[in-house]
Amino acid sequence: NAGVTQTPKFRVLKTGQSMTLLCAQDMNHEYMYWYRQDPGMGLRLIHYSVGEGTTAKGEVPDGYNVSRLKKQNFLLGLESAAPSQTSVYFCASSGHVGQPQHFGDGTRLSIL
Amino acid sequence: QQQVKQSPQSLIVQKGGISIINCAYENTAFDYFPWYQQFPGKGPALLIAIRPDVSEKKEGRFTISFNKSAKQFSLHIMDSQPGDSATYFCAASRRGFKTIFGAGTRLFVKA
Repeated sequence: NAGVTQTPKFRVLKTGQSMTLLCAQDMNHEYMYWYRQDPGMGLRLIHYSVGEGTTAKGEVPDGYNVSRLKKQNFLLGLESAAPSQTSVYFCASSGHVGQPQHFGDGTRLSIL
Repeated sequence: QQQVKQSPQSLIVQKGGISIINCAYENTAFDYFPWYQQFPGKGPALLIAIRPDVSEKKEGRFTISFNKSAKQFSLHIMDSQPGDSATYFCAASRRGFKTIFGAGTRLFVKA
């Protein structure tokens, strides 16, 4: 009964380093999303996917890339981390766009 | 057109009181209005949702009131408890399109 699992839970990076955040869902959902959450700004959509092999830009896509090679996994990459990318990142999935989303517990990322 | 404006940013309520969080939207095409509850260190979780064909939906102590003409909806938490202390997000969407979230309200219920 895992739902949406994100790894890692915490990470500290230096400016310019790269990393990949992993998201896995076991609900056979077609749609997956990556959000960032910053104080006072709610949840902002970075990228999303409407199915295996597809990705699309959200509200704040710059500096991030994503891949959806398997239906159950959605990866978020930072090629060259910047301090402005310090945030809490949430992955979510849903059966369809506009339906209730199921969220993971987040990855807390600090970039020094 | 795509914004969902949420207020207040933070709210302190005495135990047993009523907590009220308001949201307003602009896009009349929205047809699904969920509320999410988020505890510290956790991801948001669906709390209650409403569609615009009804004016009110109640689940236990949680009620959504919906005013289609004013393009506003609100969450009421009756008999608020310390365990209700969390961040609440309203959202709006329509089938086939992305969900738009409000900025969130941090609720603290004093014992």
